[in-house]
Amino acid sequence: GQQVMQIPQYQHVQEGEDFTTYCNSSTTLSNIQWYKQRPGGHPVFLIQLVKSGEVKKQKRLTFQFGEAKKNSSLHITATQTTDVGTYFCAGEAGSYQLTFGKGTKLSVIP
Amino acid sequence: NAGVMQNPRHLVRRRGQEARLRCSPMKGHSHVYWYRQLPEEGLKFMVYLQKENIIDESGMPKERFSAEFPKEGPSILRIQQVVRGDSAAYFCASSPIAGGYNEQFFGPGTRLTVL
Repeated sequence: GQQVMQIPQYQHVQEGEDFTTYCNSSTTLSNIQWYKQRPGGHPVFLIQLVKSGEVKKQKRLTFQFGEAKKNSSLHITATQTTDVGTYFCAGEAGSYQLTFGKGTKLSVIP
Repeated sequence: NAGVMQNPRHLVRRRGQEARLRCSPMKGHSHVYWYRQLPEEGLKFMVYLQKENIIDESGMPKERFSAEFPKEGPSILRIQQVVRGDSAAYFCASSPIAGGYNEQFFGPGTRLTVL
């Protein structure tokens, strides 16, 4: 079945440093979504990418979808303590299911 | 517009008991998805339902687990004869339209602990 791998599993950064998490799918995706989950909280939708090579920005966050639609990345510039949480990618390959990666847990040291 | 509601937020059961988890989707949403999250893990798809229909239950264990979304009332995920391995956070999500092209709105989750 479809698998979505996400690296790194954990990332500790100093406040102000950049952060990137990468997502790779075993199959071509029709779209990929990114979610953020705060400790003890629930996943909150960040963005959806649909087109090959698509790049979207939300303030300090930049999302990319690979040309082959099998990989994606989330980059945060100049991290802040409010960025703490686990970032999940979730791929959809033509069925109703979203397949989630295991997430990257971001810690920001003030 | 109230978000997705789940109750209870925390549920403690002894081995062998039944657990019933409830999910009320956002107003206007007729598509409900259940996910299970183990500690330090991602979310695993369990089942996708529309009103009165199970569309995809490929992620749900064949035994002890069942789900429904009746015409009236919340969606219910039922776990019979719980075991320690069932301890997890169970999240429900809803969307207004079918499929993964649509943002899924997640509820706060039910944290199930099996003693």
